[in-house]
Amino acid sequence: DTAVSQTPKYLVTQMGNDKSIKCEQNLGHDTMYWYKQDSKKFLKIMFSYNNKELIINETVPNRFSPKSPDKAHLNLHINSLELGDSAVYFCASSQGGGSYEQYFGPGTRLTVT
Amino acid sequence: GESVGLHLPTLSVQEGDNSIINCAYSNSASDYFIWYKQESGKGPQFIIDIRSNMDKRQGQRVTVLLNKTVKHLSLQIAATQPGDSAVYFCAENNQAGTALIFGKGTTLSVSS
Repeated sequence: DTAVSQTPKYLVTQMGNDKSIKCEQNLGHDTMYWYKQDSKKFLKIMFSYNNKELIINETVPNRFSPKSPDKAHLNLHINSLELGDSAVYFCASSQGGGSYEQYFGPGTRLTVT
Repeated sequence: GESVGLHLPTLSVQEGDNSIINCAYSNSASDYFIWYKQESGKGPQFIIDIRSNMDKRQGQRVTVLLNKTVKHLSLQIAATQPGDSAVYFCAENNQAGTALIFGKGTTLSVSS
């Protein structure tokens, strides 16, 4: 039973393309997140949703658009991909906000060529 | 601004030694702290957490110490094993309590 799952695990695409990453959690959590991890392993939050409502929208280009169809899913759509978007993207969920343990997915390694 | 940092980017120990990974945080209002372990190719995995009303918490082979006076957090791993080799992150909750702010990570290498 995978608690937080992401698809795909690897994504290789060309500049200018549009791509999506999907995330699902079966923990019954109300809050979900997207993080970006750069080549130096720095983890930075991008978005947070609580019960399908956007809570956090960090300084992220508006080419990135999260979408939460229900509280168990949080997808990330990226338009007009750029080289600098290459990174590992992690989805996470928690029962509350920043004062609770977050459960992370396995990550999606995005490579833009 | 809010930031969480670690003192050392890498730590190398021998199998069986005790490891101590340190972390400094800047937000004195943070009331929740957490340590994660990230193995190569995997997502961060919860190790242990602590709330600001405590200064020590123990788990299985791990202990987290919180010193609010100097805004310092540490993770102690007893009898370190090769399987402990990973990147370790500390994190604190942000001022609004809506998210975790992660530090830069310490890579622990355990040699046998």
